[in-house]
Amino acid sequence: NAGVTQTPKFQVLKTGQSMTLQCAQDMNHEYMSWYRQDPGMGLRLIHYSVGAGITDQGEVPNGYNVSRSTTEDFPLRLLSAAPSQTSVYFCASSYAATGYQSFTDTQYFGPGTRLTVL
Amino acid sequence: AQSVAQPEDQVNVAEGNPLTVKCTYSVSGNPYLFWYVQYPNRGLQFLLKYITGDNLVKGSYGFEAEFNKSQTSFHLKKPSALVSDSALYFCAVRVITGGGNKLTFGTGTQLKVEL
Repeated sequence: NAGVTQTPKFQVLKTGQSMTLQCAQDMNHEYMSWYRQDPGMGLRLIHYSVGAGITDQGEVPNGYNVSRSTTEDFPLRLLSAAPSQTSVYFCASSYAATGYQSFTDTQYFGPGTRLTVL
Repeated sequence: AQSVAQPEDQVNVAEGNPLTVKCTYSVSGNPYLFWYVQYPNRGLQFLLKYITGDNLVKGSYGFEAEFNKSQTSFHLKKPSALVSDSALYFCAVRVITGGGNKLTFGTGTQLKVEL
């Protein structure tokens, strides 16, 4: 298993540009999520998905879009990048999306994408 | 509000000494608690979790954590620190949301182990 993979590892954008951060998992996990990590703020949830075709907002969704057309893939789109979106982005997944097991399952993280918006 | 707190931004320990990284939580219902470690320029790696049962949980790389319900704490410990343990450590808790639950993270504690 490759686990959770993310591309690209690094990206530099200019303000107003758009891009898509890719995330894939090969563990047949129902639950997938995107976080951003900023110094002193821990990880904050951007969007999450409990299965193909189902997505929802997290704590900091503004400026980001997601879709989940397959179980494996969960891309994050920045429609018009802003300097405030400079951050490290992590994708994560876990097996169960609902029920008791969704509370106890371990969430596995990808290696991250370091994004700079100039 | 349901949350988790890590009161120390940084912990310094000499190699060979015991280490403790503190975490306190506030949740409604049963707490499901996790510890992750992040090495420089890497993703988060799972260390251990508390679901139910024994208050002392053993995890990867010789780490363990003690769940204390009365003090609402879940401190990470290791009997003898290694320089290679130097990393950023995150405590996390499952909190109930409208549609289910989410993993909420503390702000992280930088552990520095020195020779």
